[in-house]
Amino acid sequence: DTGVSQDPRHKITKRGQNVTFRCDPISEHNRLYWYRQTLGQGPEFLTYFQNEAQLEKSRLLSDRFSAERPKGSFSTLEIQRTEQGDSAMYLCASSLVVSLGGYEQYFGPGTRLTVT
Amino acid sequence: AQSVTQLDSHVSVSEGTPVLLRCNYSSSYSPSLFWYVQHPNKGLQLLLKYTSAATLVKGINGFEAEFKKSETSFHLTKPSAHMSDAAEYFCVVSDAGFQKLVFGTGTRLLVSP
Repeated sequence: DTGVSQDPRHKITKRGQNVTFRCDPISEHNRLYWYRQTLGQGPEFLTYFQNEAQLEKSRLLSDRFSAERPKGSFSTLEIQRTEQGDSAMYLCASSLVVSLGGYEQYFGPGTRLTVT
Repeated sequence: AQSVTQLDSHVSVSEGTPVLLRCNYSSSYSPSLFWYVQHPNKGLQLLLKYTSAATLVKGINGFEAEFKKSETSFHLTKPSAHMSDAAEYFCVVSDAGFQKLVFGTGTRLLVSP
């Protein structure tokens, strides 16, 4: 399968702990996005990368959140000092953006975070 | 700012009957619109997209949607529902630079035998 993969699929952590999620995009895709989805809601944009450069961050992304995409391949999303409000599904998506189109975003299965 | 409003949180149909999921959008420019489907414990899957070409867009699994600028709508339809269509459906608009997607709150489609 050559789709977007995310690891782990589920994470349970205690309040105050740090967690890190990984996303592997479709190999030739130059953009990578992170979204967060809470129960009963649609996904909300967090941040995105064009190759290795992080170009936009939502105000939802507090200082406790950091994302990286070294070498423009996989990405990691770290949450420090987790809070119960961080409990959500964290979705990663990738796309190949070229001048004449190709803007579909392909989503991974998500990482479900539960903070106890 | 761009936004979409999904007019129904739940839609129930019988297998073999038509499906209509309603979506209105708000955008200050000519939008790109999408419908995604999310099955339980599965990732979001793109059903179809509108990007200023033909206003009637055909997608996968027999779904289609019509872009109506005068009504600012992008409703999703299917002539005959199948049990496997039961899922959460999201209407989505892209921002001007395609940097991010803005999702609606979703419509849960229930299909009964």
